[in-house]
Amino acid sequence: SAVISQKPSRDICQRGTSLTIQCQVDSQVTMMFWYRQQPGQSLTLIATANQGSEATYESGFVIDKFPISRPNLTFSTLTVSNMSPEDSSIYLCSGAGLAGVHEQFFGPGTRLTVL
Amino acid sequence: QKEVEQDPGPLSVPEGAIVSLNCTYSNSAFQYFMWYRQYSRKGPELLMYTYSSGNKEDGRFTAQVDKSSKYISLFIRDSQPSDSATYLCATAGGTSYGKLTFGQGTILTVHP
Repeated sequence: SAVISQKPSRDICQRGTSLTIQCQVDSQVTMMFWYRQQPGQSLTLIATANQGSEATYESGFVIDKFPISRPNLTFSTLTVSNMSPEDSSIYLCSGAGLAGVHEQFFGPGTRLTVL
Repeated sequence: QKEVEQDPGPLSVPEGAIVSLNCTYSNSAFQYFMWYRQYSRKGPELLMYTYSSGNKEDGRFTAQVDKSSKYISLFIRDSQPSDSATYLCATAGGTSYGKLTFGQGTILTVHP
């Protein structure tokens, strides 16, 4: 499977600011996703990052708060905008190839703390 | 009701024990059933997946799906301290093929 890296690995931010998380895959993938994992909780899908077009957001997540870009088949960014302490979480990028979403692999995550 | 339910544990077992991890799900349209392992401060790692009902074995790990009862299991034989992690079940397929639905995760500790 491909290897996914994320930057930054962690950050501490002030409320009202924004943070952009980068996700890089070492080979082309068909699908890329962004998840949130709050402490002690499971993974919640934020959106599917679509190459060259607007991301597809899940219920409860909006583009103004979580703008996503995917300029090519190996790179995506997630921005957490106008942050509040409730945005403190781990943000995970994942990818899946032609085999399908059932063979989805994950990056190491970005641990975000908002003060 | 959550679509995928998983007992969060924690579960603590001695080294060498057989571990049984379980999930239930509500959507009968799910076709793929995955188990992920997540070490502390790492991303989830896919252990194995099963399509529809049946068993799948990979080394010390066996995944089992019973679609009639909507029950998913992962068995770990001869458990090792290195198996200590959070185990997440996930499902896919049905009306939202492009989406994985995760259970809450079970925290497992294997002590020497």
